[in-house]
Amino acid sequence: DAKTTQPTSMDCAEGRAANLPCNHSTISGNEYVYWYRQIHSQGPQYIIHGLKNNETNEMASLIITEDRKSSTLILPHATLRDTAVYYCIVRVHSGGSNYKLTFGKGTLLTVNP
Amino acid sequence: NAGVTQTPKFRILKIGQSMTLQCTQDMNHNYMYWYRQDPGMGLKLIYYSVGAGITDKGEVPNGYNVSRSTTEDFPLRLELAAPSQTSVYFCASSYPQRPTDTQYFGPGTRLTVL
Repeated sequence: DAKTTQPTSMDCAEGRAANLPCNHSTISGNEYVYWYRQIHSQGPQYIIHGLKNNETNEMASLIITEDRKSSTLILPHATLRDTAVYYCIVRVHSGGSNYKLTFGKGTLLTVNP
Repeated sequence: NAGVTQTPKFRILKIGQSMTLQCTQDMNHNYMYWYRQDPGMGLKLIYYSVGAGITDKGEVPNGYNVSRSTTEDFPLRLELAAPSQTSVYFCASSYPQRPTDTQYFGPGTRLTVL
């Protein structure tokens, strides 16, 4: 199973872009990269996912390197409400059609006023 | 849609007591999951279900039981509560469309065992 490595914590100024890195050097060719976040005391929330191409939605952008060994989640204009723990997850296939998510400790992003 | 709902929000149990954590989803998702999250840690999968009548163990199933009699409900049972089960429990659901799917999480149940 591919593992991910993220910094423990990061700071960002309100209104600036937040760039959250993730290393997944053992990722397999058919594994996707997912990003979730967890605001304090709430359930995790899906942000974005991708395979090899860069992806963008209303919440964020995901940049995946050409060798797929790392990725960066970009929040273009961070707000105080974006303060949360951000999880980078590589999709694990565990028998049959059961796709499970394995959560690590993530990165605590603190957006400062 | 309410999404994924969990009850209760908070509960304190004494050692040896039992309880059931309720989880319901109204999105007609066939996959459902139970995770636990200890303080300062990531989520760990307890049990999951791919459809009514089908359940399977995750990473940390000991001390728990589940059932899935309907698509909507996936209760988690603690038979003999232990202090090690003090945690926040999250239920999630998804509708896997290969090769990707998104899991939707409930608000969590905060359980303390004393």
